[in-house]
Parts: sequence; C-alpha cells; structure tokens
Amino acid sequence: QQQVKQSPQSLIVQKGGISIINCAYENTAFDYFPWYQQFPGKGPALLIAIRPDVSEKKEGRFTISFNKSAKQFSLHIMDSQPGDSATYFCAARDQTGANNLFFGTGTRLTVIP
Amino acid sequence: DTAVSQTPKYLVTQMGNDKSIKCEQNLGHDTMYWYKQDSKKFLKIMFSYNNKELIINETVPNRFSPKSPDKAHLNLHINSLELGDSAVYFCASAVSGANVLTFGAGSRLTVL
Repeated sequence: QQQVKQSPQSLIVQKGGISIINCAYENTAFDYFPWYQQFPGKGPALLIAIRPDVSEKKEGRFTISFNKSAKQFSLHIMDSQPGDSATYFCAARDQTGANNLFFGTGTRLTVIP
Repeated sequence: DTAVSQTPKYLVTQMGNDKSIKCEQNLGHDTMYWYKQDSKKFLKIMFSYNNKELIINETVPNRFSPKSPDKAHLNLHINSLELGDSAVYFCASAVSGANVLTFGAGSRLTVL
C-alpha cells in the first residue's frame, strides 16, 4: 500500500523554467512533510520540509505548498538549473512511529541547458 | 567526516548465499534505519533501531536480520539470498523525535 502518492514519475524542464512535483496522502497521523533530493550513486538528502500548520515554505528557489484539507503538497523549483537534475522524493512522517518516514515513488527531474 | 557510512558499496553474489552489509554513524544519533530501494527507485523502510532495540519491522522476510551491537552501528544480514533481493540498501540515522534522517550512500546488492 502506497501511503504517499507522487507524480509525475519523470519531468523534463528547460533551464530557467519552473519544476512542479505533486504528492498526496491519506493518513491524518502524518505530521511532517519533507522533500528529499537524490543524486545518482548517493543517498537521499533533506532538501526542504514543512509542517501542516503552514501553507507554504520557501527556501531560495525551492518552495513547498501545502493544502491540509486536500491532503496534498507540492514542490516548486523556480529558475530550474541543470544542477537540479536529480530524483526528488516527497515523504510524510507518521507521528505514531519513531520518525518512520513513508516515501513517495520519486520523480526524476532533468533540467535541459 | 561526520556521516553515515556503509560497506560494501557494491556486492555481487549468487542465489542462496548469505551476506552482510555494515552501517556506522558518527553523528551521535540514537535511531538507525534500513531502507530498500528497488529498481524503480521506490524507497521502503525495512527496520528501525532505537538504542539497540528493534522498533519497526515492516513485514520483511525473516531471511533479513538486523543486528545493532551499539547505538552507532546497525548491520543487515541476509540469509539464502534470492533474485528479488537485488536492490540498493540504504542505512539512515536520526535523533529520536527529530525530523531529519541522514542517509548513507547506499549498498548495491546484485543477486545472480
């Protein structure tokens, strides 16, 4: 059972464009929503995260939008750069577990120069 | 360097063999995890250890046995390897109650 649904599976964006990745969940016990970035041959690394009591969080070119009522959240990458090419995972933490993170299926982003 | 380190990075073996992957963290974290990433990049939690006690076992076959000799180490032993065990296995660590998981670079297991 996929606890966090993520789309699209892959995304190609021109340099300077906006990359948008969407995620949805059902479990209301989730209380923390991070995004992880993974480069080939590396482990996932935390990129940005949000709690459900805010609707948006921005860090540089990366923004998370969060819609609690719809149980959806998305990652926006502004002014996308070739160096942003990586696989992006949304995740959700189950507050009843010990930091048990449920990951989405990943989005492979390619930014074309 | 402070990090989560895994060994080996690559492991190629025959079906039926037994193998181990080691993980060490020097971040002072008290919770460690094993995740499996399949060929479609799907990340699924396998085990979690907090202060040397198993606290999550997500219905992983009992051929997989985690062993944590201390808070800084969480090793994964796999018996009777099967083709479907081929994947990248990631170790991660965190401070209990904190939000950030730190992942290792992964161990790619190929079962022939």
